[in-house]
Amino acid sequence: GAVVSQHPSRVICKSGTSVKIECRSLDFQATTMFWYRQFPKQSLMLMATSNEGSKATYEQGVEKDKFLINHASLTLSTLTVTSAHPEDSSFYICSVPQGAPNSPLHFGNGTRLTVT
Amino acid sequence: GQQVMQIPQYQHVQEGEDFTTYCNSSTTLSNIQWYKQRPGGHPVFLIQLVKSGEVKKQKRLTFQFGEAKKNSSLHITATQTTDVGTYFCAGREAGGGNKLTFGTGTQLKVEL
Repeated sequence: GAVVSQHPSRVICKSGTSVKIECRSLDFQATTMFWYRQFPKQSLMLMATSNEGSKATYEQGVEKDKFLINHASLTLSTLTVTSAHPEDSSFYICSVPQGAPNSPLHFGNGTRLTVT
Repeated sequence: GQQVMQIPQYQHVQEGEDFTTYCNSSTTLSNIQWYKQRPGGHPVFLIQLVKSGEVKKQKRLTFQFGEAKKNSSLHITATQTTDVGTYFCAGREAGGGNKLTFGTGTQLKVEL
């Protein structure tokens, strides 16, 4: 069964609104989770590393005030897309290391965000 | 920054034919991982290679890590329709922490 649960799977929102995406590690505790974004027919681009109990580490070019990450517990990380615009429409996927932070990743099912 | 390129970008094969995707990193890697993403799905971990020159097999899939730890390949023997999907390599830069950089991917289509 799934070891990483991500919700919602799809969301359509109006421009200017905010959307929260949840990522839960079901089978084990995770001090680190990773958030990726994938545009159609493209690769996965790392947005940020979510760290339990501390601030997230954002990749270059990713606005931390726009993509708010909260790693509230060892099993839950959330990504909030604030003041969404059509160009934020994408496939957002969270992932959890299978063990240590440098181990292979379990991915959630992803969230397809469409901003109208 | 680190770049990981894959070729080809697309590959159409007839069922039963072999398939190979090549992965090249701009920097030396501490390890290389391979993932498969089915259409509409999420990436699923296939394998990890750590040692220089390492070769691993999973049934019809053969994975290789280059001697210089900057390139890798995935070879599928006698493709089946279930092999359809996009194959991504992903590598961690040696000394670069936990960041996993995904390759550009190779989309495989298998026709009967």
